[in-house]
Amino acid sequence: DGGITQSPKYLFRKEGQNVTLSCEQNLNHDAMYWYRQDPGQGLRLIYYSQIVNDFQKGDIAEGYSVSREKKESFPLTVTSAQKNPTAFYLCASSVEQATNEKLFFGSGTQLSVL
Amino acid sequence: DQQVKQNSPSLSVQEGRISILNCDYTNSMFDYFLWYKKYPAEGPTFLISISSIKDKNEDGRFTVFLNKSAKHLSLHIVPSQPGDSAVYFCAAKAGGTSYGKLTFGQGTILTVHP
Repeated sequence: DGGITQSPKYLFRKEGQNVTLSCEQNLNHDAMYWYRQDPGQGLRLIYYSQIVNDFQKGDIAEGYSVSREKKESFPLTVTSAQKNPTAFYLCASSVEQATNEKLFFGSGTQLSVL
Repeated sequence: DQQVKQNSPSLSVQEGRISILNCDYTNSMFDYFLWYKKYPAEGPTFLISISSIKDKNEDGRFTVFLNKSAKHLSLHIVPSQPGDSAVYFCAAKAGGTSYGKLTFGQGTILTVHP
């Protein structure tokens, strides 16, 4: 079945530690995205990538880093510089069409600080 | 600055009745609007969308209405079913921006009682 797989489902970070969230898609989509969801808030864009080896900062990129070495994969690293990392992280992808803005989401990773 | 707002955190409706979820936006550059539905522990899934050149779009039990002068959109679900119980997010995209760069509202929790 085609879809987006995020792992792990739950992740705990210690003080000063970097952690990496995995996102893999087999939909053959060009574009991939990382969103963060906090309670009572909408999803906010962290980073996005429209093509392999290229990515752009979203609205809240500080304290995060990404890579896009393969079309299928878009891992997100939450660095120690991110002072408030506890949130639900969602990866998404979409096709390259001018009028179709539909995003396909993974099931998310809940990150908590120990 | 919340450019997309869903002012009702929750809505409770009886099965068979109409559910109306509301969304307001402030950015006059938004020209494409979407609704996503999210079940617990899952990623959001696309429900229905509308372009700013239209004022209504229907898909089965779901209809989205857009009032550009009021910068308001609403999602109508008729008839409501218990399986519709979920969190509903509205999202908007500004013309000329990269697709996938959606601005989301905070979400409304819909509960449909049997």
